[in-house]
Amino acid sequence: SYVLTQPPSVSVAPGQTASITCGGNNIGSKGVHWYQQKPGQAPLLVVYDNIDRPSGIPERFSGANSGNTATLTISRVEAGDEADYYCQVWDSSSDHRLIFGGGTKLTV
Amino acid sequence: EVQLVESGGGLVQPGRSLRLSCAASGFRFDEYAMHWVRQAPGKGLEWVSGISWNSGRIGYADSVKGRFTISRDNAKNSLFLQMNSLRVEDMALYYCTKDAVDILTGGMDVWGQGTTVTV
Repeated sequence: SYVLTQPPSVSVAPGQTASITCGGNNIGSKGVHWYQQKPGQAPLLVVYDNIDRPSGIPERFSGANSGNTATLTISRVEAGDEADYYCQVWDSSSDHRLIFGGGTKLTV
Repeated sequence: EVQLVESGGGLVQPGRSLRLSCAASGFRFDEYAMHWVRQAPGKGLEWVSGISWNSGRIGYADSVKGRFTISRDNAKNSLFLQMNSLRVEDMALYYCTKDAVDILTGGMDVWGQGTTVTV
């Protein structure tokens, strides 16, 4: 079955740029979505279809996807960006299955 | 306001059944796929099941296949999850989510607050 691999944790200083990776076999051929989850809250979609942002999501959040790695980049990181981040794809290669990465804890 | 409200969670003995419901409002329910996603305490997100706008495409995680059944009633703007033969490992917060598209491949752009299942 398809597996998405994320680093368990990423640390960044305020004002710097954070990059969170999501590895998967030929993930560049898939649409990747990214979610932010703060403690005690439901997840929030921050990037969809690799590069698009839902309305209300700051331009500081951006996505890229190529080869075997998708990346969520957060520019000018703020304290309020501290959260868990999850990548997600739909795996049409097997029996209609949606896959989440294991999540990355971003510490600011 | 776009909203998803889950209900039906609770405490249940292993081997028993539970039926979760999700009431949708603020959008055209019959135009979008829907999902159930769960999160065990202190753990990551796990997709449970998804259903396309017209119930023509349905998918399940391997961990629940054969035990859980997803369904929807577009006339009542409602999503359901019938959970049978519950196991301790099914214990989690269950989220109802809206897909951004009518099939199952978009991002989940609306999430409920979840309902807790304790086994």
